[in-house]
Amino acid sequence: GESVGLHLPTLSVQEGDNSIINCAYSNSASDYFIWYKQESGKGPQFIIDIRSNMDKRQGQRVTVLLNKTVKHLSLQIAATQPGDSAVYFCAENKYSGAGSYQLTFGKGTKLSVIP
Amino acid sequence: KAGVTQTPRYLIKTRGQQVTLSCSPISGHRSVSWYQQTPGQGLQFLFEYFSETQRNKGNFPGRFSGRQFSNSRSEMNVSTLELGDSALYLCASNLDNQETQYFGPGTRLLVL
Repeated sequence: GESVGLHLPTLSVQEGDNSIINCAYSNSASDYFIWYKQESGKGPQFIIDIRSNMDKRQGQRVTVLLNKTVKHLSLQIAATQPGDSAVYFCAENKYSGAGSYQLTFGKGTKLSVIP
Repeated sequence: KAGVTQTPRYLIKTRGQQVTLSCSPISGHRSVSWYQQTPGQGLQFLFEYFSETQRNKGNFPGRFSGRQFSNSRSEMNVSTLELGDSALYLCASNLDNQETQYFGPGTRLLVL
């Protein structure tokens, strides 16, 4: 079936380095993707989104890249800080009709920042 | 503007009991979605409510139900609880015709 998956379950990076978190999706009809950050004991927090008609979108210290040819997206975090330690999820937002959208999440990547 | 709030934050129940969880969306958001998060299955969509009507439903048994009130607040109910229902239940809200969903802190349910 269609799914959104992650390549790596864990990622450790040195403070100040850049982090790259990858995600593969299988539904070629998907047109909207979101990255969420979930800290321990909290709900997912919106980071950045991208539409399928874009290849790249930048936010504050974060960049999302979308490669539709290989159905892959990545989240890049510049100058990773201890506060970036969390689980990161990519999600595919699929239109379900009648104005309804449904998020399908990947399993998540745990990012650990080494001080 | 206040974020999505969920009550209670923690809950312990025993098998066979039922439970009701509450969610208050961000002011002005009329769409409310519910998700279940477990270590094994990850985040899974339960259902979505808009204007007091269930607009979309995930692949969960009928023991899982919900409703939405005229002020957009939503409740979900799980009847005849099973051990496997232990999970973090997350509520998210979004504006009409806007795709970005904003999540609450969740209710952690433990079924013994």
